[in-house]
Amino acid sequence: DAEITQSPRHKITETGRQVTLACHQTWNHNNMFWYRQDLGHGLRLIHYSYGVQDTNKGEVSDGYSVSRSNTEDLPLTLESAASSQTSVYFCASSESASEVTDTQYFGPGTRLTVL
Amino acid sequence: QKEVEQDPGPLSVPEGAIVSLNCTYSNSAFQYFMWYRQYSRKGPELLMYTYSSGNKEDGRFTAQVDKSSKYISLFIRDSQPSDSATYLCAMSVSNAGKSTFGDGTTLTVKP
Repeated sequence: DAEITQSPRHKITETGRQVTLACHQTWNHNNMFWYRQDLGHGLRLIHYSYGVQDTNKGEVSDGYSVSRSNTEDLPLTLESAASSQTSVYFCASSESASEVTDTQYFGPGTRLTVL
Repeated sequence: QKEVEQDPGPLSVPEGAIVSLNCTYSNSAFQYFMWYRQYSRKGPELLMYTYSSGNKEDGRFTAQVDKSSKYISLFIRDSQPSDSATYLCAMSVSNAGKSTFGDGTTLTVKP
């Protein structure tokens, strides 16, 4: 069955370290997204991609970067982790320009703690 | 002010009750309206979607969109303990995938 996976599921790191969160989908979807979820803020868009070599900044992109070298993967990098980046991170994917809806399929999430 | 405002909750109801979950928005360009359900420590999953104004029904769930009032609702009839979750509204301008989410309403249905 097609799916979307995230790794690691839990990560503890220290301030200033570089961290990369992996996202892999097997639906062959063109669109991929990274969100963070914090209490009181819901889901906020960090970065998104509409295809290979395409990346775009979302609402809260400062301190994060992504690259898209193939259809299946969109890794999220925290260049220098800060305590404010402690959060739950969700990756999602969707098909391109569906006629009716842009249903996003979410991964299980990565719980990141920055000490 | 946020583009999407969702009734914060939490909401606690007895089994069998009718539940109403609501969101308002400010961006009149939104055309696609979604409701996601998120169980504890899981990723959100799409529950309902509506394009433009109108109602959509799926079993015990009904989604309503009133674009003139910039107001959307999700109704759950005959609520069940398995409906206990956080419900997130989401909206987008185009069907290219970039959505804006509400903060979520946590619902508990008590047996």
